[in-house]
Amino acid sequence: AQSVTQPDIHITVSEGASLELRCNYSYGATPYLFWYVQSPGQGLQLLLKYFSGDTLVQGIKGFEAEFKRSQSSFNLRKPSVHWSDAAEYFCAVGAVNNNDMRFGAGTRLTVKP
Amino acid sequence: DAGITQSPRHKVTETGTPVTLRCHQTENHRYMYWYRQDPGHGLRLIHYSYGVKDTDKGEVSDGYSVSRSKTEDFLLTLESATSSQTSVYFCAISERAGYNSPLHFGNGTRLTVT
Repeated sequence: AQSVTQPDIHITVSEGASLELRCNYSYGATPYLFWYVQSPGQGLQLLLKYFSGDTLVQGIKGFEAEFKRSQSSFNLRKPSVHWSDAAEYFCAVGAVNNNDMRFGAGTRLTVKP
Repeated sequence: DAGITQSPRHKVTETGTPVTLRCHQTENHRYMYWYRQDPGHGLRLIHYSYGVKDTDKGEVSDGYSVSRSKTEDFLLTLESATSSQTSVYFCAISERAGYNSPLHFGNGTRLTVT
């Protein structure tokens, strides 16, 4: 089965600084990749997804992610973080004909004023 | 936001008692899922449904059963709750098969088994 690793459990950045959250996946074919965000006490919300085509995908709230097949990575980026971006972020990978989408353990983002 | 309602939002129960969690959707989506969220594990799929009366197991299905008698409702049952089932449970829905269709999540049910 496919799997996802998010190497960073917790990241702290200053407001206005750039952000990169790492995601590495394991899957033998072309994966379907997602980033979700979870605010405290809420369910997950889709930020962006990659299925095929352009390897740089744009999402909501100013986020983008780049698919790098050679590195099995799908890192999430934002040029300038806002205090409201503080949340937990999950990377997920889907596989063809498999409804068991696999999630990473999550990265908690703290934003310093 | 997708119309997904989970009930109850919080529940405390004792070991050995049966528990049923409910997920109700107003989107008429074919696929429905139950996940559990635990620190260090992210979300793990328990069971999912691809239509009325059509369900299948996920990664962590032991100790859980599900039923879907109507498109809009998906029930998760813990036949005899154990402390290891203390978790936050999320229902999700999608229009198409989950691997290529974004999931829309409910706000979760926090279950504590004492």
